[in-house]
Amino acid sequence: AQTVTQSQPEMSVQEAETVTLSCTYDTSESDYYLFWYKQPPSRQMILVIRQEAYKQQNATENRFSVNFQKAAKSFSLKISDSQLGDAAMYFCAGLNNAGNMLTFGGGTRLMVKP
Amino acid sequence: DVKVTQSSRYLVKRTGEKVFLECVQDMDHENMFWYRQDPGLGLRLIYFSYDVKMKEKGDIPEGYSVSREKKERFSLILESASTNQTSMYLCASSLPPIYEQYFGPGTRLTVT
Repeated sequence: AQTVTQSQPEMSVQEAETVTLSCTYDTSESDYYLFWYKQPPSRQMILVIRQEAYKQQNATENRFSVNFQKAAKSFSLKISDSQLGDAAMYFCAGLNNAGNMLTFGGGTRLMVKP
Repeated sequence: DVKVTQSSRYLVKRTGEKVFLECVQDMDHENMFWYRQDPGLGLRLIYFSYDVKMKEKGDIPEGYSVSREKKERFSLILESASTNQTSMYLCASSLPPIYEQYFGPGTRLTVT
């Protein structure tokens, strides 16, 4: 992706509730990869979930799932049954056309209220 | 588990100093990356390397250089630090193609 945009600088959710983080991207490619990364406070960034654009099925990893709308160039992350440990910065990212660089969005800070 | 380590968690340097940030990965990854992270801007790629002695400019290479003499080690150099280089610096590594990047803990650099 050439550009990745996260329009929500901060979000909050009640523990055990569901929250959706938004991401839009722009690319001229027909086949590409999109990612969500999580950066907990003072801890290392880790991959949450990955979506391959040619796959129509939305990726799911336990409580994390994506809503991938290819035509709308939208890639949102849904977190179900939110836990206190989900509190973190979340970054959406897309792989560039050459497949050797990631472009990151500005991030969304997620707060989880007990 | 893949481990990516960075030489310092916190660093304070003076304007004009030469600064070295070092990154080491232990999983024999070909690709290594240096990013800077600033609030609201996300991560921006400074340089990356896909092999020993190879380097490619990222989106914001100005004011930085890199060195990769060994596969496991990727250094970021600020030849003459400036206050606008105060930031969090993250190193990452991956296999090609990039299906997942593994990140180090970051170095928070303050230039005064």
